[in-house]
Amino acid sequence: AQTVTQSQPEMSVQEAETVTLSCTYDTSENNYYLFWYKQPPSRQMILVIRQEAYKQQNATENRFSVNFQKAAKSFSLKISDSQLGDTAMYFCAFMSSGTYKYIFGTGTRLKVLA
Amino acid sequence: DTAVSQTPKYLVTQMGNDKSIKCEQNLGHDTMYWYKQDSKKFLKIMFSYNNKELIINETVPNRFSPKSPDKAHLNLHINSLELGDSAVYFCASSQGFYTDTQYFGPGTRLTVL
Repeated sequence: AQTVTQSQPEMSVQEAETVTLSCTYDTSENNYYLFWYKQPPSRQMILVIRQEAYKQQNATENRFSVNFQKAAKSFSLKISDSQLGDTAMYFCAFMSSGTYKYIFGTGTRLKVLA
Repeated sequence: DTAVSQTPKYLVTQMGNDKSIKCEQNLGHDTMYWYKQDSKKFLKIMFSYNNKELIINETVPNRFSPKSPDKAHLNLHINSLELGDSAVYFCASSQGFYTDTQYFGPGTRLTVL
């Protein structure tokens, strides 16, 4: 069975600095997708970035980028130039084409300090 | 022009009651989902509908029943509410059944007293 682990329950970072959130997963499948979602206090889940497992190039989206290490089954999120609006819960998610469902990690609460 | 909307945002009710949460998406997506997020923020999929057909029915109590009148709507009915049903329920949609990004609604906070 697939699992997703986020080992950092809480993190904080100073405004304008860089922070990295870790995520590891376990699967025996070769084709899958990985996502990072942001959940601000408003509760809505917002897609931050997505990575296809067959792509070696790391995905980037403005200040957000990932470090995807397929062999190590690691998918970390780097936030550059952190802003106060980045304060939120961040969820790592795995989606397999075999099981047809998403599996989410337990989340990392990120606080950006002024 | 909200992509995925849910009503109501908050729902407070007594044990034993029956309630419904509505979800609508205007993205033209073929697949919709219901998730439950517990007090520890753990998010777990409950149901998935693809073109009005139930694709995943996770091991949730049969008191929960999804109903999809068309592919833009997926409502969640809950019968005989229990204290443990208190949670935030999220609706989401995606273009395809797999491989595609899911877009989430704002969530519905259900409190059972």
